[in-house]
Amino acid sequence: GQNIDQPTEMTATEGAIVQINCTYQTSGFNGLFWYQQHAGEAPTFLSYNVLDGLEEKGRFSSFLSRSKGYSYLLLKELQMKDSASYLCAAMDSNYQLIWGAGTKLIIKP
Amino acid sequence: IAGITQAPTSQILAAGRRMTLRCTQDMRHNAMYWYRQDLGLGLRLIHYSNTAGTTGKGEVPDGYSVSRANTDDFPLTLASAVPSQTSVYFCASSDTSGGEYNEQFFGPGTRLTVL
Repeated sequence: GQNIDQPTEMTATEGAIVQINCTYQTSGFNGLFWYQQHAGEAPTFLSYNVLDGLEEKGRFSSFLSRSKGYSYLLLKELQMKDSASYLCAAMDSNYQLIWGAGTKLIIKP
Repeated sequence: IAGITQAPTSQILAAGRRMTLRCTQDMRHNAMYWYRQDLGLGLRLIHYSNTAGTTGKGEVPDGYSVSRANTDDFPLTLASAVPSQTSVYFCASSDTSGGEYNEQFFGPGTRLTVL
């Protein structure tokens, strides 16, 4: 079956660094997406990885290892506004997104 | 402002009633999707459309139907609502016409409660 695993909740301190992990099992693989979702709002796109390695975009970076079925999202210099849920989604062989349940990130001052 | 709109924002519905959730995008994206989001679960695909005139079933299509008469609109209909359809519904669109599978853009969601 298809499955995405990510931690349910994480806590970090303002100004610090946090890494949110995601493991996936899909029928075929066409890339890994990360989305941010603030409470009561729609998900918004953060990053896309299809090749192994690290993609950096400002304070956010995303890493992919296809052989391990593993990705992480790295958030640096955390700000209070980064408090949100972070959704991992893998694209399967039919180009459909399989979504994890999301990781709720709590930022403390 | 370009984007996706959904209506209504929220709705309380009696079980057995018929309900249509509306979704309109002005980005001329070829592909559109309907998801439901429930607490503790990931977004689950209900139906999708890769282009106007075609639709497909997602992971949880039972009890729902869609149509795609044109590029912009993708309504979702609950023929006879049941309490298990209480959820937040998100419509999304993406441009897959170039062969690249770009990110999906989401509407603001419809919060539906079936009593």
